[in-house]
Amino acid sequence: DAKTTQPTSMDCAEGRAANLPCNHSTISGNEYVYWYRQIHSQGPQYIIHGLKNNETNEMASLIITEDRKSSTLILPHATLRDTAVYYCIVRVELRTGANNLFFGTGTRLTVIP
Amino acid sequence: NAGVTQTPKFRVLKTGQSMTLLCAQDMNHEYMYWYRQDPGMGLRLIHYSVGEGTTAKGEVPDGYNVSRLKKQNFLLGLESAAPSQTSVYFCASSRRDTQYFGPGTRLTVL
Repeated sequence: DAKTTQPTSMDCAEGRAANLPCNHSTISGNEYVYWYRQIHSQGPQYIIHGLKNNETNEMASLIITEDRKSSTLILPHATLRDTAVYYCIVRVELRTGANNLFFGTGTRLTVIP
Repeated sequence: NAGVTQTPKFRVLKTGQSMTLLCAQDMNHEYMYWYRQDPGMGLRLIHYSVGEGTTAKGEVPDGYNVSRLKKQNFLLGLESAAPSQTSVYFCASSRRDTQYFGPGTRLTVL
């Protein structure tokens, strides 16, 4: 099963861009990369996902390398409310059509005033 | 539109007791999932369902049972609770790909 590797923690100044890296060197060709975040042990919140193209939505941008072995989540203007644990996840499709999200330990992002 | 809700929010059990956790979603999603999260770790899949009346095992199914009698509800049961089942339990639902999570149930087994 594909797994991900992320830095344990990162700091970012408020108002600056936060760039969170992730390695997923064993990812298979049809497996998606997902990003979720978890604030104060609440339920994980969906941020963005992608397969091979870069993606952008109202929350963040996702940059996936051409070989798909790594990706970067970009929060363009970090605020104090973005302080959370960020999980980079490889979504594995199960034979039943459902999906398993393989969570690692994530990156604890602290946004500093 | 409440999304995914979980009942109860907190519970303390003694070893050997039983209980049922309830997950409800109002998004008409086909797929529903139960995960557990232990301190300092990511989530692990316990059981899941691909539709009403169906269930399947995830990564860590031992000691748990599930039922999906109605499309909007997914129940997780512990027949004989053990201290190793102390954890935070999250339910999620999805139409096909993106899963949306509930707020969690914090369970302590003494």
